[in-house]
Amino acid sequence: SQKIEQNSEALNIQEGKTATLTCNYTNYSPAYLQWYRQDPGRGPVFLLLIRENEKEKRKERLKVTFDTTLKQSLFHITASQPADSATYLCALGSGAGSYQLTFGKGTKLSVIP
Amino acid sequence: DTEVTQTPKHLVMGMTNKKSLKCEQHMGHRAMYWYKQKAKKPPELMFVYSYEKLSINESVPSRFSPECPNSSLLNLHLHALQPEDSALYLCASSQAPASGLKTQYFGPGTRLLVL
Repeated sequence: SQKIEQNSEALNIQEGKTATLTCNYTNYSPAYLQWYRQDPGRGPVFLLLIRENEKEKRKERLKVTFDTTLKQSLFHITASQPADSATYLCALGSGAGSYQLTFGKGTKLSVIP
Repeated sequence: DTEVTQTPKHLVMGMTNKKSLKCEQHMGHRAMYWYKQKAKKPPELMFVYSYEKLSINESVPSRFSPECPNSSLLNLHLHALQPEDSALYLCASSQAPASGLKTQYFGPGTRLLVL
């Protein structure tokens, strides 16, 4: 069965450092992968999408990589700030015609001042 | 405008009550979704509407009844819920699946407590 693992439930880093979150998957050939941010008691907010034929995507301080051979995505936040503290979810999607996103359990990031 | 709105923000109901959750989007999206999320768990898909028709029902108990009155609105009718149904209920919308990329835009959720 399809399985998505986000490397750790919680990650603490010092302000200013780069946070790296990992998303691994098995028994899945996603057409694309998305990262969402979720604050407590709120809905997920879309951050970045990367397609299966793309290696890397950037948006401001965020960077996502996608390695379909390793079946892994890395999500980086550079120059992290306390305001980046949240839970980050990766989600995998199939191609055209499919509605469903499969979410990982998320990694709770805490950026310590 | 990438906003999905949900009402109410919080809801407390007894097991014999009937209530409804409402969701609205004005992004022209033709797919709308209901998710249930328990604490420290990922969102679980419940229903998908595409072009106002129910496309996916993930074996959700009949005490949850979705409705899509038009392309902008999505309701979730609740009746005879159980305490284990207490959760954050999320609505989302996206372009229709044929477009290929379905970034889902989520609402803020309704925090439901069943007593």
